[in-house]
Amino acid sequence: DAGVIQSPRHEVTEMGQEVTLRCKPISGHNSLFWYRQTMMRGLELLIYFNNNVPIDDSGMPEDRFSAKMPNASFSTLKIQPSEPRDSAVYFCASSSQGGGREENIQYFGAGTRLSVL
Amino acid sequence: QKEVEQDPGPLSVPEGAIVSLNCTYSNSAFQYFMWYRQYSRKGPELLMYTYSSGNKEDGRFTAQVDKSSKYISLFIRDSQPSDSATYLCAMSKISGNTPLVFGKGTRLSVIA
Repeated sequence: DAGVIQSPRHEVTEMGQEVTLRCKPISGHNSLFWYRQTMMRGLELLIYFNNNVPIDDSGMPEDRFSAKMPNASFSTLKIQPSEPRDSAVYFCASSSQGGGREENIQYFGAGTRLSVL
Repeated sequence: QKEVEQDPGPLSVPEGAIVSLNCTYSNSAFQYFMWYRQYSRKGPELLMYTYSSGNKEDGRFTAQVDKSSKYISLFIRDSQPSDSATYLCAMSKISGNTPLVFGKGTRLSVIA
């Protein structure tokens, strides 16, 4: 398997523009997580889905952020309008709900580095 | 106070040294403990995964969990320049496929 695939790898945009980040989880995984990493705050959860259903979005900063998972193989994270403080690396991770504890491991994509000017 | 505290370093050691990385946490509900390694401009990759208290060894890496002290450690023996990376501790309450709470990471440099 190719692992978790995120696109784009880098995004530079101007304040006020809409930004869409994309994620393809590992085939067969039914949990998907969006995290954001900054120097100040480290890696923090934004939202996660189980079986395509959003379970916890308490980490989403504000209404400018939205996430969808229309099917088991695709998710998007959208920021509209974007602001300079949204500049960060955004990671997507996926995992499976296996019967054994060792199966419940989160695998991360390479991330999208977002710069909002 | 953050739920998980981790010294950000940086930590610089000579090749062959034993490295000790640590995290403390405040929430006694955490049951699953992980260490991720993150190379520059890459995503985190799982290094070690432990449940509850005890030790786990995998090659040059040993993970320890002391729930009574709310303290976890990662030891790297015979450190190599290729171990130079940021090490993130992570933990969760229910199982590894529920949201993880991360430490901020410790940047390690192993000097040849």
